[in-house]
Amino acid sequence: SQTIHQWPATLVQPVGSPLSLECTVEGTSNPNLYWYRQAAGRGLQLLFYSVGIGQISSEVPQNLSASRPQDRQFILSSKKLLLSDSGFYLCAWSVAWGIETQYFGPGTRLLVL
Amino acid sequence: KNEVEQSPQNLTAQEGEFITINCSYSVGISALHWLQQHPGGGIVSLFMLSSGKKKHGRLIATINIQEKHSSLHITASHPRDSAVYICAADGGAQKLVFGQGTRLTINP
Repeated sequence: SQTIHQWPATLVQPVGSPLSLECTVEGTSNPNLYWYRQAAGRGLQLLFYSVGIGQISSEVPQNLSASRPQDRQFILSSKKLLLSDSGFYLCAWSVAWGIETQYFGPGTRLLVL
Repeated sequence: KNEVEQSPQNLTAQEGEFITINCSYSVGISALHWLQQHPGGGIVSLFMLSSGKKKHGRLIATINIQEKHSSLHITASHPRDSAVYICAADGGAQKLVFGQGTRLTINP
């Protein structure tokens, strides 16, 4: 069966510090991968998606970047965090073809102070 | 105006009641997703539908493509159904646009 992992679960970082959140998927090959953010009191927003290694599409301009160094690994990064980067970050995967269900990871709660 | 609108934003009901949550969208879609977010933040996919109706246990999801409207129903609601329910429109390439969510509280 497939599983999706995210870490860390929670993170408190000072403004201006770097960020690296990791997501890995087990039990499937060549998945589509997604990073979402849920800011406090707001709905989920798609940040990045990837259809393959090294292939990243950004949905909104922002202070963040994403990378996919391996087939089942998706990393969300920032060189310098802003207060507005605080939120709940969710990684998700789906089968890479057709209209498919997305499966979400447990999320990382980030607080930038 | 958001591309995906849910109503109500908050819903409180007594155990056993029939629950309906509505979702309207203004974009063309290939599928409509219903998600459940638990208090800890974890999200579970409940349904993905592009036409008609789907049922899973006490949950039923319907969609009317012509009216751009979907509903999620819960029969015989239970306190464990308390969660935030989110609809999301897949406009293509599995890029989801989310509603703001409906916070459901079922009191015993």
